[in-house]
Amino acid sequence: GQQLNQSPQSMFIQEGEDVSMNCTSSSIFNTWLWYKQDPGEGPVLLIALYKAGELTSNGRLTAQFGITRKDSFLNISASIPSDVGIYFCAGRYSGYALNFGKGTSLLVTP
Amino acid sequence: ETGVTQTPRHLVMGMTNKKSLKCEQHLGHNAMYWYKQSAKKPLELMFVYSLEERVENNSVPSRFSPECPNSSHLFLHLHTLQPEDSALYLCASSQEGTDSPLHFGNGTRLTVT
Repeated sequence: GQQLNQSPQSMFIQEGEDVSMNCTSSSIFNTWLWYKQDPGEGPVLLIALYKAGELTSNGRLTAQFGITRKDSFLNISASIPSDVGIYFCAGRYSGYALNFGKGTSLLVTP
Repeated sequence: ETGVTQTPRHLVMGMTNKKSLKCEQHLGHNAMYWYKQSAKKPLELMFVYSLEERVENNSVPSRFSPECPNSSHLFLHLHTLQPEDSALYLCASSQEGTDSPLHFGNGTRLTVT
């Protein structure tokens, strides 16, 4: 499948700080999704994006579908300890397959 | 509760064993997936079933054999695995239609000894 470049690989921040992570692809997608995975659990959907330029929020999370359709970012505002986990971006052009990034590991200290 | 239930949660098997992973979805979806998650690698799609028919098979070795008896259940039959097959195996479901996001189960942690 199409490889996605997700950065940063890991982040270590203090509670209350804002976080930004992004994902890029060499080819265009029609859908971008952001998931979070906690230890011992499966990925949980955070935000789904379906249109270039779309900006969507879910509580303290905001994600955008890049205008070029080759990138997406996820912002977390005012981080809290329970934001700890691995965040994955995923993109789809067509068909069933989702292409995933390698994930951003987020650690939050109180 | 994710709506997608996988059993067992953990499995240790020898290379000559035969075992099966089970997935059940309670979301009314009609497409089901098997993904493999290994450390420091992106999730790898293994199989996709839509309306109980296999629609994708991503060059997966024949020692992995999927089965989808109905739209709510998905199995992954395992035989003569290798140690490098040790990973987290994730099941997911979605509603038919390419825009539908995937909903994942909590996975089966497989260790091949």
